Amino acid sequence: NAGVTQTPKFRVLKTGQSMTLLCAQDMNHEYMYWYRQDPGMGLRLIHYSVGEGTTAKGEVPDGYNVSRLKKQNFLLGLESAAPSQTSVYFCASSFLGRSPTDTQYFGPGTRLTVL
Amino acid sequence: SQQGEEDPQALSIQEGENATMNCSYKTSINNLQWYRQNSGRGLVHLILIRSNEREKHSGRLRVTLDTSKKSSSLLITASRAADTASYFCATDTGNQFYFGTGTSLTVIP
Repeated sequence: NAGVTQTPKFRVLKTGQSMTLLCAQDMNHEYMYWYRQDPGMGLRLIHYSVGEGTTAKGEVPDGYNVSRLKKQNFLLGLESAAPSQTSVYFCASSFLGRSPTDTQYFGPGTRLTVL
Repeated sequence: SQQGEEDPQALSIQEGENATMNCSYKTSINNLQWYRQNSGRGLVHLILIRSNEREKHSGRLRVTLDTSKKSSSLLITASRAADTASYFCATDTGNQFYFGTGTSLTVIP
């Protein structure tokens, strides 16, 4: 049981380049989330998904797109990377998402640098 | 913003001492959770306390919640070097999930 995995672990982009971050979970969770973590800012929710084929905006969605074609995968895309998107990106999943006792399981993170 | 704020931002203690960190938030919540993050790793869930609960224990962890003050505290008793990490509170408002800015705990052997 691998839990939540993220690909790649590290990436350096030039301004304007595009890339896709992949998150995969093998726990049959319905909800999946993408966060970014910046120094002194905690984690901020970018987008989330409440099930296969659905996505929704979080706190800081601008500049990102997501897709959830399969229940186990959640993709985060940057169409035209900007230096402000330099951050550590975390994916998480949870069983139901809205249960009062639900918790999130996190991946190991992707460190992205945009030059 | 609903984002919680932890206090203190950084805490350094000797092994064996207790560590207390606090979290404040702004709007009503369904539950509040505490997570730990070791350097360079993802977050790991520690404990959840529902809005109708006032105190909860799990091993060396004790969490309190005061909804009238919109605050929570996490107490780690008899700290160990392995407790060195950042600790985040997270509030579930029912609409969204918000993480605080974290407390960096260093336990000196």
